[in-house]
Amino acid sequence: DQQVKQNSPSLSVQEGRISILNCDYTNSMFDYFLWYKKYPAEGPTFLISISSIKDKNEDGRFTVFLNKSAKHLSLHIVPSQPGDSAVYFCAASTGTYKYIFGTGTRLKVLA
Amino acid sequence: KAGVTQTPRYLIKTRGQQVTLSCSPISGHRSVSWYQQTPGQGLQFLFEYFSETQRNKGNFPGRFSGRQFSNSRSEMNVSTLELGDSALYLCASSLSTARGELFFGEGSRLTVL
Repeated sequence: DQQVKQNSPSLSVQEGRISILNCDYTNSMFDYFLWYKKYPAEGPTFLISISSIKDKNEDGRFTVFLNKSAKHLSLHIVPSQPGDSAVYFCAASTGTYKYIFGTGTRLKVLA
Repeated sequence: KAGVTQTPRYLIKTRGQQVTLSCSPISGHRSVSWYQQTPGQGLQFLFEYFSETQRNKGNFPGRFSGRQFSNSRSEMNVSTLELGDSALYLCASSLSTARGELFFGEGSRLTVL
């Protein structure tokens, strides 16, 4: 039972444009969400998080939106840069010391 | 400060063997989590330790076990290895993982032949 789903395995975007990565979840008890970026042969690195009491959080070029009624999370990257090319994972938690991760979306930013 | 260190980075084992992986968390972090990453499956939660106590466990068979030492370093063990255990095993440390950022190591890539 995949409680966190990233339905797009890959995404290609032109440099300078917006990248939108999506994540859907099924468990309404999730109250904290994170996005991670992973380069090959490296561990995931934290990008941005959002609590369920908010619907938006920004950090520089990265913005995360949370739609609780739709159980949908999205990460916007503006503007996209070639160095953003990586696999992006969303993760969710109910506060039980474990995170449920999605299967990842591979983003390719074209120069 | 130094990040999360995992050893070994790469290892090859044969079916039926057992393996032990090690993780040294960021200094001051007392929570250590383990995740398994396989192609198409994302990161699957194995277990989480805090102050030498396992606080949560994922849906993995009993062949997968772990422990944490008083200095917060952690080990995970997989016994009676199966081909399907081939994966990248990631360790993450945190001040507290109830709701907070996880800091990941580079992982230990296990290949089972």
